[in-house]
Formats: sequence, structure tokens, C-alpha cells
Amino acid sequence: EADIYQTPRYLVIGTGKKITLECSQTMGHDKMYWYQQDPGMELHLIHYSYGVNSTEKGDLSSESTVSRIRTEHFPLTLESARPSHTSQYLCASSDPGSNEQYFGPGTRLTVT
Amino acid sequence: KQEVTQIPAALSVPEGENLVLNCSFTDSAIYNLQWFRQDPGKGLTSLLLIQSSQREQTSGRLNASLDKSSGRSTLYIAASQPGDSATYLCAVDSSYKLIFGSGTRLLVRP
Repeated sequence: EADIYQTPRYLVIGTGKKITLECSQTMGHDKMYWYQQDPGMELHLIHYSYGVNSTEKGDLSSESTVSRIRTEHFPLTLESARPSHTSQYLCASSDPGSNEQYFGPGTRLTVT
Repeated sequence: KQEVTQIPAALSVPEGENLVLNCSFTDSAIYNLQWFRQDPGKGLTSLLLIQSSQREQTSGRLNASLDKSSGRSTLYIAASQPGDSATYLCAVDSSYKLIFGSGTRLLVRP
């Protein structure tokens, strides 16, 4: 059973606010990922990390930033939220042996 | 560039029917292929993972096959139930990053 957590689950904020979406996992996985999914659309990789102090941008350009100071924690930050950032954000980590990815429950973000 | 396509986009079947969901990918150089289930507004649940060296995997009523050379995978669901209603996503791992298809929305009618 995968143990990966995301908070908050739902967030409604005004334009211009700074927000941080939290993601943590208790499995000791080195590889972690952030995906963005608009309603009814495909998931797109926006950030990934192969370990502490490692972060890379994904295939979809994003104005968000990430950090990886601890293995278990991979937060995503938006410095100034805009309505175009309204989406669902999904965090995942992968098993080092099989590379199977496990997903958190997601954060549904609405920027008004 | 790897592209993943899923057919059909939506499927509605009566309870008890066996069904097949299709996934195709353009670049056969993959590490593995994963099938997920997503319920509305929720995260993804991993159903089956097939490594590139494997041909199929089974879990309960689910069976997934992989034909790397033709760039295809199928997810077979036996004796479908209303609780199987969800969106099913196929994803290929070709550089330790997953590329997703757009999914098949399945509705199993009681």
C-alpha cells in the first residue's frame, strides 16, 4: 500500500496570493513527481526530482517551483496565483526497483 | 516524442460484460507500462504494471498485455461490475517519466 499524502485537498484563493501545495511520502522513495491535470484532460508532468537537492522541469511549462530538501517532502509553490493556474495537481513517487508510480489524492486548486 | 493514445474515449456496457480497453504508443523503447484507475476528482490508483520484458500481468478480474514491437497494450476486465465505473489511464515510462494517454471513461450499467 502506497503512503503518499497531499494537503490541502481543496483550495480556493484570490489572484496574486502565494501558495504552497504539500506532498509527502513515507516510503523512502527517491523519485518524486508533480503532475497537472485540467478537468477531463490528460495528466502532464510539470516537475520531478530524483533525490534530495535534485529538481527538474517536466514536459509542460509551469510557473510553479519545487524544492526537495528532505527525501519525504516535495512541496510545490506558486509565488503569485492566477486564474490560469486553476487545475488539479497530483503528486507521485516511484518504487526504486520496479519504477511503479504511486499517486497522492491530489489538490484541486481554484484561483478566483 | 512519445505519444500515447487510448481507444475508445468512452464506453458504456451492461453489468457482467467482459471488455477490452486499448492503449497504443509511438516509441517502443519503454521501461514499463502502467494502467491506472481514476475516480472523478480523485487521484490515481495503480492497477497493473508491466515491465518491458513481460507480456502480461494479472490481478483479479484484470489482465493487461503488452506488445512492445507493435506499440500496443490492452486491459481486459472480466465480468464487469458497476463499481468498475471510472476513467482508466494508460501510461508509458520511456525515460523514467510517465507519458499518459487521455483515458477511457467506463460506465458499467446495473
